[in-house]
Order: sequence, then structure tokens, then C-alpha cells
Amino acid sequence: DQQVKQNSPSLSVQEGRISILNCDYTNSMFDYFLWYKKYPAEGPTFLISISSIKDKNEDGRFTVFLNKSAKHLSLHIVPSQPGDSAVYFCAAFISSGTYKYIFGTGTRLKVLA
Amino acid sequence: KAGVTQTPRYLIKTRGQQVTLSCSPISGHRSVSWYQQTPGQGLQFLFEYFSETQRNKGNFPGRFSGRQFSNSRSEMNVSTLELGDSALYLCASSARDRKNTEAFFGQGTRLTVV
Repeated sequence: DQQVKQNSPSLSVQEGRISILNCDYTNSMFDYFLWYKKYPAEGPTFLISISSIKDKNEDGRFTVFLNKSAKHLSLHIVPSQPGDSAVYFCAAFISSGTYKYIFGTGTRLKVLA
Repeated sequence: KAGVTQTPRYLIKTRGQQVTLSCSPISGHRSVSWYQQTPGQGLQFLFEYFSETQRNKGNFPGRFSGRQFSNSRSEMNVSTLELGDSALYLCASSARDRKNTEAFFGQGTRLTVV
């Protein structure tokens, strides 16, 4: 039972253009969502998060959008840079419950110079 | 502020052996969680410790166990290793409060079972 899904295993984008990574979830109890970036042989690095009471959160080149009715969130990276090439994981959890993050399977982003 | 430290970085073990992995969280963080990453499976939650108590456990067999010490450092133990246990094991620390919900990960321990 995959509660958090990233249906695109990979994505290629030209440098300077927008990268859009998508994530769907099934559990309506999730009230906090996060995006992590992971390089090979390193641990995931926290990027940005959003509470379910918001529909958008922005931090520099990174913006996360949340559509609760569709149980969908997306990460926008503008402009994309070659250094953004990595695997991106979305994660969800219930803030009033256990600290158990449910992760998607990741999307490998490749930004072409 | 030092980040999350995991030791060792790499391990090679044979089937049937046991292994202990260590995680030192960020100073002040009392929650430590463990995840297993395998190709195509994303990060699978193993368990979480807070104030030396296991607060939640994922769907892994009893061969996987852990503990947390009074200084918040945590260890994970896997007994009777199987080939399928080969993976990257990640530890994450968190302040575990409503204002600071982000978990910060260590670099992981790459375990290879042969």
C-alpha cells in the first residue's frame, strides 16, 4: 500500500527552464509534506516543506504547491541549474502522531546544460 | 552545529552475521529515526526512538532492532543477515516539536551482505 507516490521515475529539463516534480498521496490524515534532494552516496537533504493549511510555500528558486482536494503536491524549481540534478523525494507525515515519514520512491531530475 | 553522524560509512558482512550501525543526532534533537533505502523502493521506515523509547516501528522483521541512549545517540542492529538486507541505512534526527518538523539525515551506512 503505497501512500505516497511519485509516478515519474525520471525527468530531464534544460538549464534555465522550469522543473516540475509531482507527488500524490492517499492518506487524508497527512498534514505535513516535505521535499528532499539526494545525491549519490549522500543522505537526503531537506529542501522545503508545507503544512496542509497552506497551498503554497516558496523559498528562493523552490516552490511547493499543495492541492488537498486532489491529494497532490508539486515542487517547482525555477530556473533549473545543472547542480539541481539529483533524486528528489517527497515525504508526508501526521504531525500530531508518530514521527514516521512516508516517502515516495523518488524522481531522478537531470538538468541539461 | 554538527550534523547527523553515521558510522561506519561502509560495511561488508556475510550471510548469517550480525551488524550494528551507529547514529549521533544533531545536538538537542531527541528523536532519531532509521530508514532503509533500496533501489526502486525509496526510503522505508524502520523505527523511531525518542527519549530512549521506541515510539513507532515499520514493517520489518524482528531481526531489525534498535536502541537509544540517554545522550540521544542511537544504534541499529540487524541479526542473521540476509542478502536482501544489502541497502543504504539512513538515520534522521528531529527536534520532534510542532515548530520544527523537518528531519535531517546523515550520510548513511552502505551495508553489503555477501
